[in-house]
Amino acid sequence: ETGVTQTPRHLVMGMTNKKSLKCEQHLGHNAMYWYKQSAKKPLELMFVYNFKEQTENNSVPSRFSPECPNSSHLFLHLHTLQPEDSALYLCASSQVSGGADTGELFFGEGSRLTVL
Amino acid sequence: KQEVTQIPAALSVPEGENLVLNCSFTDSAIYNLQWFRQDPGKGLTSLLLIQSSQREQTSGRLNASLDKSSGRSTLYIAASQPGDSATYLCAVNSSYKLIFGSGTRLLVRP
Repeated sequence: ETGVTQTPRHLVMGMTNKKSLKCEQHLGHNAMYWYKQSAKKPLELMFVYNFKEQTENNSVPSRFSPECPNSSHLFLHLHTLQPEDSALYLCASSQVSGGADTGELFFGEGSRLTVL
Repeated sequence: KQEVTQIPAALSVPEGENLVLNCSFTDSAIYNLQWFRQDPGKGLTSLLLIQSSQREQTSGRLNASLDKSSGRSTLYIAASQPGDSATYLCAVNSSYKLIFGSGTRLLVRP
């Protein structure tokens, strides 16, 4: 496996379900990100983890819960979602050298989520 | 608050044309700017990264320029091919975040 891999690629869930999205990076990076891409809107940053510590929560509703057990893995736990949460969820990683420079981001293929 | 705008939103050209995609940003205090390509239903592929101290970067038929003082970047695609059809996204690295534009949807007709 190379780069950034995301599973599952497609997910359909009801509003009362609990599911998780998984991301794994094989690039040796120290920062990982979750982005949301909705139709006709720019990519929205959701969460940032640097060295496994959450450094950014961009006012994301609590029904989205991130987890970063180590610098190679990132999860997004989903519960009690709404139909408007249907979107493409993209994971990315980068090597942060210090300061506010995120470095070059590398993205996974995304997880297409549909909430019924 | 940093805002990124891409013009045009969509572009259709015949194969072989040279073309320019535009990106503008409101806050010139950036670390770098990154251009991505996204095919339908897929993730983002990094094309070029320009550091704030650089004026341009080249990769094959792609050339990206950066004018930080005026808040502009352009992506030049030479001799376009149908395989270049995709959405092109510009993103600005500003204060711990990568802020994206809405993208330019490019169609290269055979």
